[in-house]
Amino acid sequence: QVQLQESGPGLVKPSQTLSLTCTVSGGSINSDGSYWSWIRQHPGKGLEWLGHIYYSGSTHYNPSLRSRVTMSVDTSKNQFSLKLNSVTAADMAVYYCARGRPFVYSSYGMDVWGQGTTVTVSS
Amino acid sequence: DIQMTQSPSSLSASVGDRVTITCRASQSISIYLNWYQQKPGKAPYLLISAATNLQSGVPSRFSGSGSGTDFTLTISSLQPEDFATYYCQQSFSIPWTFGPGTKVEIK
Repeated sequence: QVQLQESGPGLVKPSQTLSLTCTVSGGSINSDGSYWSWIRQHPGKGLEWLGHIYYSGSTHYNPSLRSRVTMSVDTSKNQFSLKLNSVTAADMAVYYCARGRPFVYSSYGMDVWGQGTTVTVSS
Repeated sequence: DIQMTQSPSSLSASVGDRVTITCRASQSISIYLNWYQQKPGKAPYLLISAATNLQSGVPSRFSGSGSGTDFTLTISSLQPEDFATYYCQQSFSIPWTFGPGTKVEIK
């Protein structure tokens, strides 16, 4: 059974870079067709998809963050990562990683989620 | 971006009630619509994919319908563990977007 676990600093200074890693266990990040996503949730708010990466390294980013976000994958470690630069207080949120899996008609759904990690932006 | 809206934003219901949540997309998304349940302090949980497909292990009291722009999540008989916030999400086009959520509370 695939499980995901986020890791990284819970506190980032303004203007610096937020770096998080998601470790995949119980399965391979090389799963055909699966996209590995990052989603965030501001306190008391809804969900925002940040982007995803395929095991090959192919990425799609949310245009709202495209200039600040970078995702990468390390298949040897079964991990994928998020970097968000020039952070501000508006980036304070719970960050989740998730697996986007294709279902019928190649409709993707995020069926496995990490527990989430809280990121605070403060000097 | 495709905008997703949900109604109502919140509702109060009793155990045993039938509950219906509506999700609307700003353009046609075919059946590329998922429903998630989220409880406080927890990650979202995928209930339904491709508009109507119940995920393995999800109780049969949950069902989804719709295509194009209008979708519905129905809970046929609300149980105590169903009190949560429900989100729809489209995977038709990038960026994937979520609805604002519907909070189901105890009456």
